[in-house]
Amino acid sequence: NAGVMQNPRHLVRRRGQEARLRCSPMKGHSHVYWYRQLPEEGLKFMVYLQKENIIDESGMPKERFSAEFPKEGPSILRIQQVVRGDSAAYFCASSPGSLANNQPQHFGDGTRLSIL
Amino acid sequence: AQSVAQPEDQVNVAEGNPLTVKCTYSVSGNPYLFWYVQYPNRGLQFLLKYITGDNLVKGSYGFEAEFNKSQTSFHLKKPSALVSDSALYFCAVRDRAGGYNKLIFGAGTRLAVHP
Repeated sequence: NAGVMQNPRHLVRRRGQEARLRCSPMKGHSHVYWYRQLPEEGLKFMVYLQKENIIDESGMPKERFSAEFPKEGPSILRIQQVVRGDSAAYFCASSPGSLANNQPQHFGDGTRLSIL
Repeated sequence: AQSVAQPEDQVNVAEGNPLTVKCTYSVSGNPYLFWYVQYPNRGLQFLLKYITGDNLVKGSYGFEAEFNKSQTSFHLKKPSALVSDSALYFCAVRDRAGGYNKLIFGAGTRLAVHP
């Protein structure tokens, strides 16, 4: 069974460009979570999505960041007009059900975003 | 709001010795607690969770964790450390702020096991 797949693994962008990060959840998983990890820090929750719905985006910056999880295809985290402070590792996690059912989340290997 | 604290940035232990990685929590209601491990340039791997029941939870790779309600702690333990256990360990708590479930992570503890 393939795990959570994230691509690209590394992404370099110049300030002002757009970054698109992709996440394909594990087969059978319909719940996707995005986290951001700054160097030497823990993961910070950004957004929780189910197919075609954003359930909780309380951790998402109000500007420049957006996420989607379409009916077909991977979940996308999009960062517009990137700035140096966006440099981080972005992790996607998926689960077959919500945490309300105590399902552990399975993580991808992350996308390391570097802003020049 | 729910939170977890990992008081040690790094733990050093000799191979074969027991190890403990500390975690304390602050929650309203019943705590749902998790431990994850992160190897270099990889995502987090689930080790174990506490929901209800026995205070000693057994997980992957020989790890276990002890839930202590009076001390609000959930320390990760292993009787005999391996060099391959060297990694970054995260404690997490389920948070229901806003009505939806998410994980709140500690800052992480780097475990170094020396031969």
